[in-house]
Amino acid sequence: DTEVTQTPKHLVMGMTNKKSLKCEQHMGHRAMYWYKQKAKKPPELMFVYSYEKLSINESVPSRFSPECPNSSLLNLHLHALQPEDSALYLCASSHEAVSGANVLTFGAGSRLTVL
Amino acid sequence: GESVGLHLPTLSVQEGDNSIINCAYSNSASDYFIWYKQESGKGPQFIIDIRSNMDKRQGQRVTVLLNKTVKHLSLQIAATQPGDSAVYFCAEMIQGAQKLVFGQGTRLTINP
Repeated sequence: DTEVTQTPKHLVMGMTNKKSLKCEQHMGHRAMYWYKQKAKKPPELMFVYSYEKLSINESVPSRFSPECPNSSLLNLHLHALQPEDSALYLCASSHEAVSGANVLTFGAGSRLTVL
Repeated sequence: GESVGLHLPTLSVQEGDNSIINCAYSNSASDYFIWYKQESGKGPQFIIDIRSNMDKRQGQRVTVLLNKTVKHLSLQIAATQPGDSAVYFCAEMIQGAQKLVFGQGTRLTINP
């Protein structure tokens, strides 16, 4: 299995809702990432998990809460989001979260719309 | 701000022609670079990578060139096909960090 699977593909939520995005990989990768991508913009890093521990938080607002239950799963819990949070949320994984030859494999993304 | 950028946001080429997509980066501490292709409705897909100790790497129909002197990266696609139409991003891994930073992207359109 060489894929990163993200669910749901599409999500519409109100500003008072609580929802979660899920990501799964079975490649034995020990680093997992969340990126946010607005329309016609490059992906922007949000969080990095290395060996199931949060290693980077790019000053993301607390209404986004990541969770790594095990080495294959990564969640992004959403609460009290704003309309400007509408975007494509991309999950990625890699063998290790260190610099060097470290190819990230991306999922297809979860397209989030906040009303 | 972004440390990786592209010279042209859009590029149109005729099917069968070669295309060159350029990328400028500003962080001299970057030691690894990747080109990704992103088709509509999909996540970025790995195309080719290059380490900073190399200046050229070739794959199937693609070549990446790295000029560290002027901090410039390019992706050459030979004999373009309709399936090459996508947005192409260069990305850099900053030495000592765990971050892959993306450039602004170039939309490549292949005309029949």
